[in-house]
Formats: sequence, structure tokens, C-alpha cells
Amino acid sequence: AQKVTQAQTEISVVEKEDVTLDCVYETRDTTYYLFWYKQPPSGELVFLIRRNSFDEQNEISGRYSWNFQKSTSSFNFTITASQVVDSAVYFCALSYYNAGGTSYGKLTFGQGTILTVHP
Amino acid sequence: EPEVTQTPSHQVTQMGQEVILRCVPISNHLYFYWYRQILGQKVEFLVSFYNNEISEKSEIFDDQFSVERPDGSNFTLKIRSTKLEDSAMYFCASSGISSYNEQFFGPGTRLTVL
Repeated sequence: AQKVTQAQTEISVVEKEDVTLDCVYETRDTTYYLFWYKQPPSGELVFLIRRNSFDEQNEISGRYSWNFQKSTSSFNFTITASQVVDSAVYFCALSYYNAGGTSYGKLTFGQGTILTVHP
Repeated sequence: EPEVTQTPSHQVTQMGQEVILRCVPISNHLYFYWYRQILGQKVEFLVSFYNNEISEKSEIFDDQFSVERPDGSNFTLKIRSTKLEDSAMYFCASSGISSYNEQFFGPGTRLTVL
């Protein structure tokens, strides 16, 4: 069974602070994919990043960066110099792949972290 | 930029009524999904659909639920006899040529069962 844990329910920061959102996952699959999605107050789910289990390189995209550590089963997300527009719920998610082709991309989501950035 | 669309944005229905939620996935995508999110909770997988059949479904997706791709563009979720606990936001998603590609989500349909 797969499980994603986002232990931080809510985080509140002041604009320009850096903030890290934690994600810990559990899976027995050797090949899997990790994702982050953003859900702004308007409610839609916006894709941010996908990572496969064989690629542990950290990734940076503008003010966003991701730290994937297989040894600790973590896929943390850092926002540098946060802005009010970053206020949203952030979800970490996991899907698996197997060579038998019986995985069809089902995403298992964490509970989400509510990030509030104050001006 | 192509996007997933969903209609209606909000549906109010009486308990026991049938509802059909509609989605138009991104046109060249092959994998289609429904998820739901009860207010304030996490997003939960309902069903995946590939090659004109259900490929995987969750425990939530019982006999009251069905999905269909009636033509080349629409993807629908039907709830035959709604219950109060079906009240949630329902998201449609699609992904491209591989099931492990990122999924793109529609804006959601808020279903309220009275």
C-alpha cells in the first residue's frame, strides 16, 4: 500500500521568508513517481513537479526547489522569498509503476499543507 | 494552452437523485481519472479509465458510480442515487501517453447533496 504524509497541517510565514513543506512517503514499489500540486483559494489543482524514483537530483525552478531523498523517503518542497500569491494548499502525491502494466497512474495524495503568506 | 474542462461548476441535488458530472479532457491524452475532495480533506482517487474501460478503481467507487466516454471528447461520472456523503468537489484529470505522466486537473465540480 502507498501512503503520503504531510505532517505540517498549516504554516504561516511573512512575505520574503523561506518556507519548506515536508513530504514523507511509503511504498513497496521500486519504481514510483512523486508529485507536488498547488491548490490556490480558487480551488483548482495546479501541477508543479514530477520526479521519478531513479532521479534524486534536486531541482530548482525560480523560487521553488525540491529535495528528493530516497534514504529518508522524503520529497520536500522549499519556496524561497515567499510571496502572498504563494498562499495555497500544497499537496504531495505518489504514483507507482510496474512492468506488468497494471499501474494506471492512480495518485495517492497527502493531507495537504495550508500555507499562508502574510504581507 | 490546452486544459481540462468540467461542467457544471456547481451541482445541487436531492438525496437519491442521479447526477452526471461532465469532463472534457485534453484532446490527445489517453488516461482519464476522477478524484474527489470532501471539504477540507485530501484528494482521493476514485477511478482511472484507459482504452475505453476502467483500469483501476478505489473502494469508494462502488456500484452507485459509473464512468463513460460516450464520444471522442467527453468523459462522464454518474452517481446513480446520491447520498449526503457524496457531497464533495469532484475533479477530472487526464494524462498523456504514459500513465505516469503528470495529470492535469480540471477546475472541479462542487456537488452538494441535500
